[in-house]
Amino acid sequence: DQQVKQNSPSLSVQEGRISILNCDYTNSMFDYFLWYKKYPAEGPTFLISISSIKDKNEDGRFTVFLNKSAKHLSLHIVPSQPGDSAVYFCAASGHDMRFGAGTRLTVKP
Amino acid sequence: DAGVIQSPRHEVTEMGQEVTLRCKPISGHNSLFWYRQTMMRGLELLIYFNNNVPIDDSGMPEDRFSAKMPNASFSTLKIQPSEPRDSAVYFCASSLRSVTNYGYTFGSGTRLTVV
Repeated sequence: DQQVKQNSPSLSVQEGRISILNCDYTNSMFDYFLWYKKYPAEGPTFLISISSIKDKNEDGRFTVFLNKSAKHLSLHIVPSQPGDSAVYFCAASGHDMRFGAGTRLTVKP
Repeated sequence: DAGVIQSPRHEVTEMGQEVTLRCKPISGHNSLFWYRQTMMRGLELLIYFNNNVPIDDSGMPEDRFSAKMPNASFSTLKIQPSEPRDSAVYFCASSLRSVTNYGYTFGSGTRLTVV
């Protein structure tokens, strides 16, 4: 039962442009939503989160938007940089944390 | 703190053999999680512990998988007997608590290959 879904396995953008990664969830009881970034041969690292009572959280070039009615969240990276190339996981925290399948972002110079 | 430490980094074993993966969480963290990453399903939660007690093992694929946390600084995930479909990267993560907006701290993972 996939409670958190990332339907785009990959995304490619040009350096300097905006990257938008999307995520959908099914359980209305999640307390927090998070984004993780993962480089090859490393574990995922926490990037940014948002409480379920908020609709936007911004941290530098990274902004997460939450649309509770649509059970949808997105991560915006602007401007995108080549170093942002990684796999991004969406996660939802209830009594534990559930992850999506990940989206591989490639930022081209 | 050295972070979450997993061993071994890589494990290659023959089908039918027993495999034991190890994890040392961050000192002071009360929650520990085992995840498995595959291409098809991404990161799947296998089991998690709060204060060394298993809370939810519904993600453990079958009886061949077992996990223990004998104390606050050590956990193991055992597969016996191993099968080729168990090949994946296994991650351990720890956190101060299971519900958090700060995320979990992950180890570097153990890449398991069963031939």
